[in-house]
Formats: sequence, C-alpha cells, structure tokens
Amino acid sequence: LAKTTQPISMDSYEGQEVNITCSHNNIATNDYITWYQQFPSQGPRFIIQGYKTKVTNEVASLFIPADRKSSTLSLPRVSLSDTAVYYCLVGDINNDMRFGAGTRLTVKP
Amino acid sequence: DTGVSQDPRHKITKRGQNVTFRCDPISEHNRLYWYRQTLGQGPEFLTYFQNEAQLEKSRLLSDRFSAERPKGSFSTLEIQRTEQGDSAMYLCASSLRTSGMDEQFFGPGTRLTVL
Repeated sequence: LAKTTQPISMDSYEGQEVNITCSHNNIATNDYITWYQQFPSQGPRFIIQGYKTKVTNEVASLFIPADRKSSTLSLPRVSLSDTAVYYCLVGDINNDMRFGAGTRLTVKP
Repeated sequence: DTGVSQDPRHKITKRGQNVTFRCDPISEHNRLYWYRQTLGQGPEFLTYFQNEAQLEKSRLLSDRFSAERPKGSFSTLEIQRTEQGDSAMYLCASSLRTSGMDEQFFGPGTRLTVL
C-alpha cells in the first residue's frame, strides 16, 4: 500500500482558498486517491476521489499531476465550519483504507 | 446523519469485562468496515465484510477482538476481557463497492472507556 505524507497542520482565514498537498511516492497503477474530512466526535466524511488530472465537485477540487506521486485538495473560500482534520488515502478496490494522522486545518475569522 | 447507525454511542466498562458493539449499515451497501480511533490519530482499520463474508481480519488488534455480520446486514464487534488500552472510539462504515470508487459512509462511533 502506498504511504501518504501530509502536513500536520495548516492555518487559514475565512474566504481564502486552501490547498492541502499529499505525497504518495509509491502509488500503484490501480490506486485511487481519496480525501476525507473529520470533525471532532464524528466519523470521517468523504470529500472527493480521483485517479488522474483534475476532479471537481460541489465542495472541493482534486489536482493530480501526471506522475501521480502527489495530489492537492483545494477548498475554495473556506469558512469557519471547514475547520477539521483532512485525510488523504491511497488504495484500490482490493485494499483496506489506511488513514494517516491527517492535516488539521484551522480557519480563523 | 449518514444513514449508518451505531449502538451504543458510549460504553463504560470495567477491565476484564466483555463488550459488544452493533453497527447497522445503509441497507443496500455490501461492504461494512470497522475502525478504531484514538485521540489525535486517524482511524485504524480493523476488519471488513463483503456481504456476510469477512474478507480481512488479520488486522484485528488481538484474538480478544472478533466481528460478525450474520446474513450480511448488521454487524457486531466484540472485545473480550477488555483492557484499559482498548479505550477508544470504534467506528463503523459501509459502502457499495463496485470499482475503484469506494465512498465509505461512517457512523457516529461508539466511545469505549475501560476503567
């Protein structure tokens, strides 16, 4: 399974765009990249998943370069309610999910 | 509310006692996962089922941990002879896995405190 590396924490201000980068140097051909968000005392919540290039949904964008050794979760115009821990996971249909420690994002007013 | 429910939400027990947690997944989901999460850490995978078959159990933390999913619906996680180190949040998730896309829906968790 590909190991992932993310920053431990990030700070931002309301209204700014936040980019969280995840490194996964030994990603396998069949692996997808998935991001989850977790608020205190709640289970993680799926944000977005991608395989290559760019994926966008109503809450975020995921940028994956051609070599797929990293990925960037982009949150447009964050608000205080986006303060949470964000996890990057890499795997395929046959792998279990391995969460790292995640990135603790703090959005300030 | 994701549609995944867990019971109980909190459990306090004494060391050495057995505890059992229940998870009710989203009804049409074929996969069910169990995780443990301690403070400041990401969820740690324990085991998962596809329908009623337990496909991975080597990562259960010890032989005191066991899980079942009779009839491929709800699941139970049992911890025998609990230890203080078992205190954690136990999370259940379900998914409808058909390809690389596997959006897991997590329940609210059961917080276990072992005294």
